[in-house]
Amino acid sequence: GAVVSQHPSRVICKSGTSVKIECRSLDFQATTMFWYRQFPKQSLMLMATSNEGSKATYEQGVEKDKFLINHASLTLSTLTVTSAHPEDSSFYICSAKTERYGYTFGSGTRLTVV
Amino acid sequence: DAKTTQPPSMDCAEGRAANLPCNHSTISGNEYVYWYRQIHSQGPQYIIHGLKNNETNEMASLIITEDRKSSTLILPHATLRDTAVYYCIVRVGGSNYKLTFGKGTLLTVNP
Repeated sequence: GAVVSQHPSRVICKSGTSVKIECRSLDFQATTMFWYRQFPKQSLMLMATSNEGSKATYEQGVEKDKFLINHASLTLSTLTVTSAHPEDSSFYICSAKTERYGYTFGSGTRLTVV
Repeated sequence: DAKTTQPPSMDCAEGRAANLPCNHSTISGNEYVYWYRQIHSQGPQYIIHGLKNNETNEMASLIITEDRKSSTLILPHATLRDTAVYYCIVRVGGSNYKLTFGKGTLLTVNP
């Protein structure tokens, strides 16, 4: 139980374009989801907390206009990287909290901007 | 959230127990100890968590010292698939509060 599905697993996009990443809770409702970014050989860095029906809360230094988060339902949160540049290339991971399993993570999205 | 300290890397022989330490000397009374692991290029996987009592599940055991200032994650019979980065995280339980990851311990299980 408590599966978080993340899609796509890999995406390559051209510089200047936007990319949307979806995060779904498959068998539970998630009022809050979290988005992380991970650069090679580094730890996960929290980008923002996504709340269903309200605005996301961004961590210091994360540009909210660049990383658009939408959490329109209790089972879906999306992260859109707008006007992507090569430095946005990273591993993006979403997470949701469950009562029994603590925080459950998606399998991640490898974004490469060329 | 209380800060944690873990060794950057450890090695373990396949089939042997892997004991991963974590120091959290500034832990508060209402903070839980969580353990997650991340296999290369995958999302983190929940392993176990506890408040003050030792805990065991199908994956591992968590031993928390009486003063709660440190803990040890034990993988009783490590396999090659247990090679991963293991994160010890301390935070308040029971709410939708964010998880903050440190650098973790890279456990390498050798054949």
